[in-house]
Amino acid sequence: TQLLEQSPQFLSIQEGENLTVYCNSSSVFSSLQWYRQEPGEGPVLLVTVVTGGEVKKLKRLTFQFGDARKDSSLHITAAQPGDTGLYLCAGVSNTGKLIFGQGTTLQVKP
Amino acid sequence: DVKVTQSSRYLVKRTGEKVFLECVQDMDHENMFWYRQDPGLGLRLIYFSYDVKMKEKGDIPEGYSVSREKKERFSLILESASTNQTSMYLCASSPGVKNEQFFGPGTRLTVL
Repeated sequence: TQLLEQSPQFLSIQEGENLTVYCNSSSVFSSLQWYRQEPGEGPVLLVTVVTGGEVKKLKRLTFQFGDARKDSSLHITAAQPGDTGLYLCAGVSNTGKLIFGQGTTLQVKP
Repeated sequence: DVKVTQSSRYLVKRTGEKVFLECVQDMDHENMFWYRQDPGLGLRLIYFSYDVKMKEKGDIPEGYSVSREKKERFSLILESASTNQTSMYLCASSPGVKNEQFFGPGTRLTVL
């Protein structure tokens, strides 16, 4: 069974601080997706990383896929209150299903 | 704009009741999924369907069934609701199994 361990589960920081969220697995994924979910809404895709070692940037968000395609990280620079939400990583398994991490609840205080 | 809609945002049912959760997508996607979301557990796949009248069990299918009679509609059925099925239920669709999934807003189900 493929599992994704996401950490930390909760993060409360002040506006302007930097943070990193991690997703780790002992399994290899063909690609990895990051979603963001706001209260009362479903998750929305932020990015997909496909190649080992790949780095993608989305404004102040930087996503990295590990060289071995077993882990990924999301780094937010100078967090804003608008970044508040639940961040989910999801690995695409060898059967094509998404395996979700537990999620990281981020609160950015003004 | 792509859209996945779910029949109810909030639902309260009694133990033993039969519960229907409906999901409709307007993107002509082949694949549809039902997840439940619980704090600290992320999203867990209940069932998915890759074509009309086709269904596959996910990781936690016990106590649930599904129906897909039309391409745009995927229903989740709780035959006899129990309190441990109190959860947030999310429906999603995608054009391909490994592609981005588009989620509905979710149904928060409470079973008393």
